[in-house]
Amino acid sequence: DIRMTQSPSSLSASVGDRVTMTCRASQGVSNYVAWFQQKPGKAPKSLIYATSSLHSDVPSRFSGTESGTDFTLTISSLQPEDYATYYCQQYDSYPLTFGGGTKVEIK
Amino acid sequence: QVQLVQSGAEVKRPGASVKVSCRTSAYTFNTYFIHWVRQAPGQGLEWMGILNPYSGTTTYAQKLQGRATLTRDTSTGTVYMELSSLRSEDTAVYYCVRGARMGDYDYWGQGTLVSVSS
Repeated sequence: DIRMTQSPSSLSASVGDRVTMTCRASQGVSNYVAWFQQKPGKAPKSLIYATSSLHSDVPSRFSGTESGTDFTLTISSLQPEDYATYYCQQYDSYPLTFGGGTKVEIK
Repeated sequence: QVQLVQSGAEVKRPGASVKVSCRTSAYTFNTYFIHWVRQAPGQGLEWMGILNPYSGTTTYAQKLQGRATLTRDTSTGTVYMELSSLRSEDTAVYYCVRGARMGDYDYWGQGTLVSVSS
């Protein structure tokens, strides 16, 4: 199985801060990485697919990049509604696997 | 708009089975795959399997092989996830998700809590 190692597991940031989080794949996954946002008690929301493509209702402050087997989610200017847990997922091969999550908390 | 509406919470004894439904609407049922993902309390997301609504073909996570069964009713646009021989570690929120064969998720169900306790 492909392991997705997500870091950091949590971070504290203020409104307006630039926030980055990373997923490292244990082997090549091409560009088949997605990112999801989950708020407490809610279903995840799809943010990004194919490494860097935003779903239609996702604000442009979210972006995704790739460097080899490292995949990064960046929030350019953190907003109050962005406090949540973020998960990456590889969908290059079965079983599809998720990272352990990054919890973004208020500083 | 596209919706995936799941059945309500369940409480089961160890060893029992549970069947969760996911009713889809506002799109052509056969044209998107349905994945199932679960989340144990306070834990991350775990992929369980996928169903092709057109053919009924399924693929499961090895960990659940033999205990999980995905089926569909094309007349109602509903997908079912049945999990047998339940254990306490199966306590989780179960989500159905619309996507392509290899992911590309867009719409999620609201989740169904399955609690397994003696």
